[in-house]
Amino acid sequence: AQSVTQLDSHVSVSEGTPVLLRCNYSSSYSPSLFWYVQHPNKGLQLLLKYTSAATLVKGINGFEAEFKKSETSFHLTKPSAHMSDAAEYFCVVSEPTGANNLFFGTGTRLTVIP
Amino acid sequence: EAGVAQSPRYKIIEKRQSVAFWCNPISGHATLYWYQQILGQGPKLLIQFQNNGVVDDSQLPKDRFSAERLKGVDSTLKIQPAKLEDSAVYLCASSLGVGTYNEQFFGPGTRLTVL
Repeated sequence: AQSVTQLDSHVSVSEGTPVLLRCNYSSSYSPSLFWYVQHPNKGLQLLLKYTSAATLVKGINGFEAEFKKSETSFHLTKPSAHMSDAAEYFCVVSEPTGANNLFFGTGTRLTVIP
Repeated sequence: EAGVAQSPRYKIIEKRQSVAFWCNPISGHATLYWYQQILGQGPKLLIQFQNNGVVDDSQLPKDRFSAERLKGVDSTLKIQPAKLEDSAVYLCASSLGVGTYNEQFFGPGTRLTVL
């Protein structure tokens, strides 16, 4: 069985400072891991994904995440926060069982202070 | 390219009433998903279709929820009768096919409030 734990339900940063959203996963297989972003009244959008290639994954809007198997972590980072980054972020795990089922974490709400 | 379309965007009903949601996936996407997102939680898969066949409905409360994708294109999710705990956002997603390498694209969702 697979699951993800997002360690912070809410993160607040000042504009221009780094962003760190933490995620730990549990999986019986070599998982695929994703980060999705959800802006208010908009659909979920894929930020980036890890599927057993390079462990440092670069995504859209300057975000990146590093897969660390020894720590079972997949933290999301961005060097400098922008006001438009304020949203809900979901860490997601999927196992290579063929069904492509996604298992979402509970989300981290990012607030960016001007 | 048009995205995943859902309607209605909002729905308010009383408990024990029935409700239906509609989803039109991205053209050419064979796989369609319905998720339930309760406030403060991440989305949870309810049912997955590959063309007009069900791939996974293990998390669908079949005593009150039903879904169909008769022609392998658009889909309808129904709740009958609704309960208070069904208040949530219902998200539809589609992908080219089954498998982790096929990105899921999400619609804006339907927000259901059951009074």
